[in-house]
Amino acid sequence: DTGVSQDPRHKITKRGQNVTFRCDPISEHNRLYWYRQTLGQGPEFLTYFQNEAQLEKSRLLSDRFSAERPKGSFSTLEIQRTEQGDSAMYLCASSLTPGSYEQYFGPGTRLTVT
Amino acid sequence: AQSVAQPEDQVNVAEGNPLTVKCTYSVSGNPYLFWYVQYPNRGLQFLLKYITGDNLVKGSYGFEAEFNKSQTSFHLKKPSALVSDSALYFCAVRVGGNNRLAFGKGNQVVVIP
Repeated sequence: DTGVSQDPRHKITKRGQNVTFRCDPISEHNRLYWYRQTLGQGPEFLTYFQNEAQLEKSRLLSDRFSAERPKGSFSTLEIQRTEQGDSAMYLCASSLTPGSYEQYFGPGTRLTVT
Repeated sequence: AQSVAQPEDQVNVAEGNPLTVKCTYSVSGNPYLFWYVQYPNRGLQFLLKYITGDNLVKGSYGFEAEFNKSQTSFHLKKPSALVSDSALYFCAVRVGGNNRLAFGKGNQVVVIP
């Protein structure tokens, strides 16, 4: 069990550019979540996949954000036309159902928009 | 709406003393509650959960939490704090059938040598 991995760990981009983050969940975990965490706050839910189906999206997820999990394994989160307000830590988590409810988090991708 | 509150911003405790980090919840129905710890520039690590059963839940690294339905609380405790316990602690509650989590704002714990 290698844990949840995320790539890149850090990303600095200029306002208006597009960025894409990748998450590799724990193998066999069928549930995958994306969260966003800003300084001094707890993580906020963005979106949820069960296998390859995106089943829930937060109001926080504007039209500039899109997420995919094409084969039910890794997932990508893309932000188009980045804004300074997008600067945050983007966290991915996975869990296995049925049975356990806890989620296991990756190290996160820290995005800085200049 | 399902939510948790962590009323304190920072908890300072001397090494070797008991550590308590407070969390209260507001949910409809039975709460599924979690504690996570975050070290600098790292993701969240799962510590423990309450789903059902005994009100005292034991978790990783010597931590435990007490579920109190009448006080709607789920406080995290450790009998003897270590300097290495200095970190950011988050309480969370399950929301909805997709099991997404709603987090509190976090508590910074500082263990003083």
